[in-house]
Amino acid sequence: GAGVSQSPSNKVTEKGKDVELRCDPISGHTALYWYRQSLGQGLEFLIYFQGNSAPDKSGLPSDRFSAERTGGSVSTLTIQRTQQEDSAVYLCASSLVSGATGNTIYFGEGSWLTVV
Amino acid sequence: AQSVSQHNHHVILSEAASLELGCNYSYGGTVNLFWYVQYPGQHLQLLLKYFSGDPLVKGIKGFEAEFIKSKFSFNLRKPSVQWSDTAEYFCAVNSGYSTLTFGKGTMLLVSP
Repeated sequence: GAGVSQSPSNKVTEKGKDVELRCDPISGHTALYWYRQSLGQGLEFLIYFQGNSAPDKSGLPSDRFSAERTGGSVSTLTIQRTQQEDSAVYLCASSLVSGATGNTIYFGEGSWLTVV
Repeated sequence: AQSVSQHNHHVILSEAASLELGCNYSYGGTVNLFWYVQYPGQHLQLLLKYFSGDPLVKGIKGFEAEFIKSKFSFNLRKPSVQWSDTAEYFCAVNSGYSTLTFGKGTMLLVSP
């Protein structure tokens, strides 16, 4: 596609429910990233994929968070048993390759998650 | 580990004023440096980037940034801001390792 596409754009869920957030990266981009943006916290790295594998999961805040990527393209971020502190904007980004100088990362518009 | 520090959380300027947003990073090796901008209701967009070469880089919309290696800094500048520059600005760094580390952002409000 022309840009990084994320869905849903907005999600309101009840505490304790599971949510799935989807990311469709730019066509041909092999690297995919998930970040979380909270008010006053800036952007927090969650997880990164190169192809279908995740070399770096260090940013996932707890075992309630997981992500997968299939076919080297679409990725899903799953949050189980959501808590109010999970409310944030979840940003997906992609880049042509990873770990290369000159590599620009492009961001989607984000999925706004509100846990009530 | 990399870290990025943006000195100002909020900046308020009048139109035509000059802008400088501070960014310092901590990492001892070779770095790539970025400034991203997020306009109200929009997604993050790349403003400019530095990988190598001339330490003074020019980006879109009249922005520029200077990489000063000895100071571990990559400050963003614009000689004359416009109301449309109202946005949140993020400095980011990576080191050839795949992930970007972001600062906490600076909210710029330009009053007409």
